[in-house]
Amino acid sequence: DAKTTQPTSMDCAEGRAANLPCNHSTISGNEYVYWYRQIHSQGPQYIIHGLKNNETNEMASLIITEDRKSSTLILPHATLRDTAVYYCIVRVHSGGGADGLTFGKGTHLIIQP
Amino acid sequence: EPEVTQTPSHQVTQMGQEVILRCVPISNHLYFYWYRQILGQKVEFLVSFYNNEISEKSEIFDDQFSVERPDGSNFTLKIRSTKLEDSAMYFCASGQVAGASEQFFGPGTRLTVL
Repeated sequence: DAKTTQPTSMDCAEGRAANLPCNHSTISGNEYVYWYRQIHSQGPQYIIHGLKNNETNEMASLIITEDRKSSTLILPHATLRDTAVYYCIVRVHSGGGADGLTFGKGTHLIIQP
Repeated sequence: EPEVTQTPSHQVTQMGQEVILRCVPISNHLYFYWYRQILGQKVEFLVSFYNNEISEKSEIFDDQFSVERPDGSNFTLKIRSTKLEDSAMYFCASGQVAGASEQFFGPGTRLTVL
């Protein structure tokens, strides 16, 4: 799996958009970009994933650069409940098995009131 | 909304004892996972399970660990002879489709080995 690089921590004001970057310069053509988050003491929570097109769901948007070497997770209107560690994970989809996720250290996003 | 549940929420055991951690995945999911997180460290993948057999396992998942789906609803992780370094939060997850797509995590079981 390709390695990812994320800032250790970020601050964002409540109500503003939080933009979390992730570098994955060695990503291969069949690897997807996943974002999960972990609120303190809870299990990780899936946010969004994509291959090459930008994706949006009710939680966030995922912007993947054209060369796929980096991506940005956008939380459009951050709230205090969005304070968490955010993980960018790059993973290939296997042929049908159950693939484990490799978590890095992630970005600790702190939403300031 | 369906969710993954885990019991117990906290388990305290003596070194050398066997423990079984229990998980009830989301009912129509076919892919099951165990992860652990030592305090202050990264979430680590242990094992995945599909079609009644292990699909993938990490180096952490040695002979002391085993998994089982004893019936149609439970998914268990057994540690045969616990060590101090097994103290961690253990998370179960389940997924509906193949691959590493959306996995739903449970709230975890905190295992403390004394």
